[in-house]
Amino acid sequence: KAGVTQTPRYLIKTRGQQVTLSCSPISGHRSVSWYQQTPGQGLQFLFEYFSETQRNKGNFPGRFSGRQFSNSRSEMNVSTLELGDSALYLCASSLGLAGVTAGELFFGEGSRLTVL
Amino acid sequence: GENVEQHPSTLSVQEGDSAVIKCTYSDSASNYFPWYKQELGKRPQLIIDIRSNVGEKKDQRIAVTLNKTAKHFSLHITETQPEDSAVYFCAASKTGNQFYFGTGTSLTVIP
Repeated sequence: KAGVTQTPRYLIKTRGQQVTLSCSPISGHRSVSWYQQTPGQGLQFLFEYFSETQRNKGNFPGRFSGRQFSNSRSEMNVSTLELGDSALYLCASSLGLAGVTAGELFFGEGSRLTVL
Repeated sequence: GENVEQHPSTLSVQEGDSAVIKCTYSDSASNYFPWYKQELGKRPQLIIDIRSNVGEKKDQRIAVTLNKTAKHFSLHITETQPEDSAVYFCAASKTGNQFYFGTGTSLTVIP
């Protein structure tokens, strides 16, 4: 079956602009989470959505937001971009069964954002 | 919140030798500990995981050990091969799909 798909793969923005990234999870997966990957910082959790509801949120400013649609597809938005937002943004999907402890994350290839 | 520390940040080994990567975590409620491998320019992929009710798990050349009392877990790769060269991330989670990742170990296997 098809893997996790992220679009766009690469994008360049300037400070102050906003950006929207999209993620299509593996069919049947209801949980979608987002991570920011930067050199030296590893992967930092942004938020997780399950059945259109934000279930968990990481320690990022309110400029970072997301949503999930009824077909489990997810988008994340970053407003008022700053130079430090340059990173690879990874989306991951999982079965995410409610009440069940965590399981394997299936990552997309990421969206590489460069802020000039 | 949870804090996961990973060491070393870089590791070079000769082909055929063993490699060990160590992680510590802070939240005693964490109960799931996966390891992901990320090859250059590719997505992270799960290579092995362990839950808190198990002390050790092995899959061919890869093994993970967990010490809940000390709150640390380790990845062991034996008989390393050049294709093992990648960045390895440990992670910890207690519920849902909120994972706390280590900062990664760049492993180089020298032929």
